[in-house]
Amino acid sequence: DTGVSQDPRHKITKRGQNVTFRCDPISEHNRLYWYRQTLGQGPEFLTYFQNEAQLEKSRLLSDRFSAERPKGSFSTLEIQRTEQGDSAMYLCASSLSPLEERDGYTFGSGTRLTVV
Amino acid sequence: SQQGEEDPQALSIQEGENATMNCSYKTSINNLQWYRQNSGRGLVHLILIRSNEREKHSGRLRVTLDTSKKSSSLLITASRAADTASYFCATMFSGGYNKLIFGAGTRLAVHP
Repeated sequence: DTGVSQDPRHKITKRGQNVTFRCDPISEHNRLYWYRQTLGQGPEFLTYFQNEAQLEKSRLLSDRFSAERPKGSFSTLEIQRTEQGDSAMYLCASSLSPLEERDGYTFGSGTRLTVV
Repeated sequence: SQQGEEDPQALSIQEGENATMNCSYKTSINNLQWYRQNSGRGLVHLILIRSNEREKHSGRLRVTLDTSKKSSSLLITASRAADTASYFCATMFSGGYNKLIFGAGTRLAVHP
């Protein structure tokens, strides 16, 4: 297992289009997280899963955002009717639950979304 | 919303010097973690300190936690140019939540 993979690395889309990102976590990790990061800021929590169950979704997340984790493996994050304000780096992370000593989250390299 | 706040926002030092970054947070925590992010890349976990711990070391990293002041510090000793990155503290609330809330980060530049 080489870590958390995200696809695509970059996405440019026109305003109003739908986009979908994929995240493949570390296989033995049962928790998966999505964060969004804009320039000069820290990652902002969006949602997380334990296995296939979506346990929490940020109230900052509009109805245009939806995430799934079928079968508790990979996850997808879809943004419908994209807006310029959605331009950001979308980061996926995975972890064991509960956290073991010295363990933290393992992050992917992110998907950079640009809405034009 | 971001509950941790790092100080300073930016830090510029020479190789060999020590770098100290501080983090303050607002509510009770289970643990606090520090991450590093190189430009345009994902975050890398550096160290985790639990609420009942006061200090931890990992190589050239030293982290302290003062729960009475709701603050933590990260010390990088004998810094190298390769330490140039953004450093984020992240807190995990006590009370059953299990997600990290990140601060805005400290941008560290180490000059050769």
